[in-house]
Amino acid sequence: GDSVTQMEGPVTLSEEAFLTINCTYTATGYPSLFWYVQYPGEGLQLLLKATKADDKGSNKGFEATYRKETTSFHLEKGSVQVSDSAVYFCALRADNQGGKLIFGQGTELSVKP
Amino acid sequence: DTGVSQDPRHKITKRGQNVTFRCDPISEHNRLYWYRQTLGQGPEFLTYFQNEAQLEKSRLLSDRFSAERPKGSFSTLEIQRTEQGDSAMYLCASKGQINSPLHFGNGTRLTVT
Repeated sequence: GDSVTQMEGPVTLSEEAFLTINCTYTATGYPSLFWYVQYPGEGLQLLLKATKADDKGSNKGFEATYRKETTSFHLEKGSVQVSDSAVYFCALRADNQGGKLIFGQGTELSVKP
Repeated sequence: DTGVSQDPRHKITKRGQNVTFRCDPISEHNRLYWYRQTLGQGPEFLTYFQNEAQLEKSRLLSDRFSAERPKGSFSTLEIQRTEQGDSAMYLCASKGQINSPLHFGNGTRLTVT
C-alpha cells in the first residue's frame, strides 16, 4: 500500500543552520505531497504542498521539490530559527482515495539559540 | 473561518467505559476525517465522511468504534468499552473543494486508565 517514510528525529540544530528533513514515498499513480507542522500544544498546520512532479512548494522560508524519479519530497530551509522548533510531518494524498492523507511518522526539530 | 473545533480537549476515562468526542468542521466543508495519533507517530486514518455519508473506514476502526455525521455538519466519534490501547490523540480534519488541503483541529487527547 501507499506509505511515507521520514528520517528519524530528533534533529537538533543551532540557529541559522541549514535544515534538511528527508521524506520518501511509495504510491501508485501520481500523488500530491504535503508537509505539515505541529508546534508544541497546537494542531497540525499545512506548511507547503506540491501536486505534480518537479513542482516546488514553499512557505515561511521552507521549500520542498516533488521528485518523482527518486520518489522524494525533502524539506529544506536555509536558516532555521528557534521558532521553527516543532514536529514536521510529510504526507501524501493518492488519487481516488477520497482525499485522505497518509502520513510519515514525523520528525522532531529542535533549534537552539 | 473559525477553524476545526474539537471537544473535549482532554478526556480521562477508566477501562471499559464509553466515550464520545465531537468535531465541528469548518462551515461548508463537505468532507470530514478522523485520525488517531499515538506518541511519536504520525496520524493514522480512521474514517471519513462526505456530507452525512461515511465513505471509508480503516481496518483500525474496530467494531467498538463508531462515527456519525447525522446532518452533514458536526461529527461524533464514540468508543465503547475503552481499552488502554485506545489512549491516543484523536484528530478531526475537514476539507472543502477537491484539491484543497485538510484543515485539522487541535485534537482530543484520550487517556484510558
